[in-house]
Amino acid sequence: NAGVTQTPKFQVLKTGQSMTLQCAQDMNHNSMYWYRQDPGMGLRLIYYSASEGTTDKGEVPNGYNVSRLNKREFSLRLESAAPSQTSVYFCASSNGGRVQETQYFGPGTRLLVL
Amino acid sequence: GQQLNQSPQSMFIQEGEDVSMNCTSSSIFNTWLWYKQDPGEGPVLLIALYKAGELTSNGRLTAQFGITRKDSFLNISASIPSDVGIYFCAVRNSGGYQKVTFGTGTKLQVIP
Repeated sequence: NAGVTQTPKFQVLKTGQSMTLQCAQDMNHNSMYWYRQDPGMGLRLIYYSASEGTTDKGEVPNGYNVSRLNKREFSLRLESAAPSQTSVYFCASSNGGRVQETQYFGPGTRLLVL
Repeated sequence: GQQLNQSPQSMFIQEGEDVSMNCTSSSIFNTWLWYKQDPGEGPVLLIALYKAGELTSNGRLTAQFGITRKDSFLNISASIPSDVGIYFCAVRNSGGYQKVTFGTGTKLQVIP
């Protein structure tokens, strides 16, 4: 099993460009998450999807949209990229709903917005 | 929003030394988690704590859930070079569906 996969691994954008970060999991998990990681800030939740067909805002949703395409895939879209969105983006998944749940993370997408 | 204070921010230690790091919060949480992030990778769960006062070990790692439910510590014994990375504490938000709040991390460097 691949676990959680993310594409692309690296991306450079110009201000105002759009792009979609892709995430897929093969663990049949119900819940999926998008985080961003900035130096000295830890990981902050952007959006999450508790189950297929639902999405909810996290701590820092502004400037992003998400789509839970099916149970396996959860994409993150930047409609008009800004330099403040330069970050490392992590997707995660879990079975969701129960106390003793583990979130499994992908390897990350490193995004630079010029 | 909720804030986790993690200390120290970074540390250099000699191989073979023991390491201790901690995490505190102004709020009470029912679940405390410790993750490790290797360079260029995503975080991986090391230890999960579900009961106040609980002490849990995972190999050379030991973590405790504070009695007040506002803090936790992680100890690493006899450090080795592969312990290098960033260690995050995290708590599960009581009001959110599986949402997890992360601390700012402790960056550990081991000198061979």
